[in-house]
Parts: sequence; C-alpha cells; structure tokens
Amino acid sequence: GQQVMQIPQYQHVQEGEDFTTYCNSSTTLSNIQWYKQRPGGHPVFLIQLVKSGEVKKQKRLTFQFGEAKKNSSLHITATQTTDVGTYFCAAPRDQGGKLIFGQGTELSVKP
Amino acid sequence: KAGVTQTPRYLIKTRGQQVTLSCSPISGHRSVSWYQQTPGQGLQFLFEYFSETQRNKGNFPGRFSGRQFSNSRSEMNVSTLELGDSALYLCASSLGGLRTYNEQFFGPGTRLTVL
Repeated sequence: GQQVMQIPQYQHVQEGEDFTTYCNSSTTLSNIQWYKQRPGGHPVFLIQLVKSGEVKKQKRLTFQFGEAKKNSSLHITATQTTDVGTYFCAAPRDQGGKLIFGQGTELSVKP
Repeated sequence: KAGVTQTPRYLIKTRGQQVTLSCSPISGHRSVSWYQQTPGQGLQFLFEYFSETQRNKGNFPGRFSGRQFSNSRSEMNVSTLELGDSALYLCASSLGGLRTYNEQFFGPGTRLTVL
C-alpha cells in the first residue's frame, strides 16, 4: 500500500547547527505538505509543494520537492530553540481522503 | 477568525464503553477530517466529511464512525472501546471542494485514555 517514509525519526542538535528531514514516497505525488507539531500541541501547516523540483523558503526553512515528485526535504539553517517539535510530511492518499502522514522527525535543540 | 475547536479536551473511559467527540471547524470550512495520533502508529486518517456526507474513510474498524451536521460541525463516535483506542484524536478542517489537498487546519485534539 501507499507509504510515506520519513527519516530520521529523531534528531538532536546544538543550537546554531543545521537540521534536515527527508520524506520518501513509494508513489509519485501530486503534492506534498509539511506540518510542525510543537510538544503538547497540534500539527500546524507550514507549506505545500506542487511542482517538480520546486524549492520554497520561509526564513531559515528551505523546502524541496524532488524532480520525480517522490521525495521531499525540509532543511533548517542555524536552528533555534523555537524550532523544537516534530516535523511531518504529508501527501494526498491514493485512495482519496485527506492526507497520509510520514512518521515525523522529532527535533530537539540544545541551547 | 476562530480556529478549530474540539471538545472535550481530555476523556477517560473504560473498555467496552463508547465515546463521542465533537469538532467545530473554522467558519466557512465545509470539510472536516479526523485523525488518530499514537506514538506507535503516528498520524492516521480516520475519515473525512464534506457537506454532511462521508467522502472518504481510512482503514479503521466499523467501531469508528462519524457524522457531520448542516453547520459543518462534526462528531466522531467510537463504540466498544479497546485499550488500543487510547490516542490523541485530531480534527482538521479545510475549505473542501474538489481539491482534496487544501491546507488542513488542526484543532487541539481530544486526548482519550481507555482503562
């Protein structure tokens, strides 16, 4: 069945270091979304990528969608303690419905 | 604009009981989706409602059901609770329509504990 794999599961960094999480799909995606969930909170939409090879930036965050539209990445430059949380990629379900989520990457930042 | 609200926020039930969770979407949003979040399985899609009709359903047993009212508010029901149903249940609303990949706005969730 459809799978969206996300790695790594956990990442511990020192404040100021960079961070990257990767998302891979078994099928070609029409689009991919990224969400952030703070500890004790709920997922919050960050961005959606639609085009092959698309790159979008939000301040220190850079999102990429692969040329084959099967993978995506989120890169954070110079992490801050406010970046702490779990980052999820999500893609439309093949069978319809809303989203299938990756397992998430939990980021902890040591000050 | 008020966000997605969910009630109750916390719930403790025992095995065999049933539970009803409520979700009020953002005003103007017609699509409401429900997700189950657990440490082991992550975020899993339960079902989606649009204009009072279930539009899609995930791979959950029939004990999980839902409905949507004319004002787009939605309820989710779980009957014959099992220990494994302990989870954070998240409701998400979106504009809906033909585009199935609208941005999802999540509520704070209902934390269900089954003893």
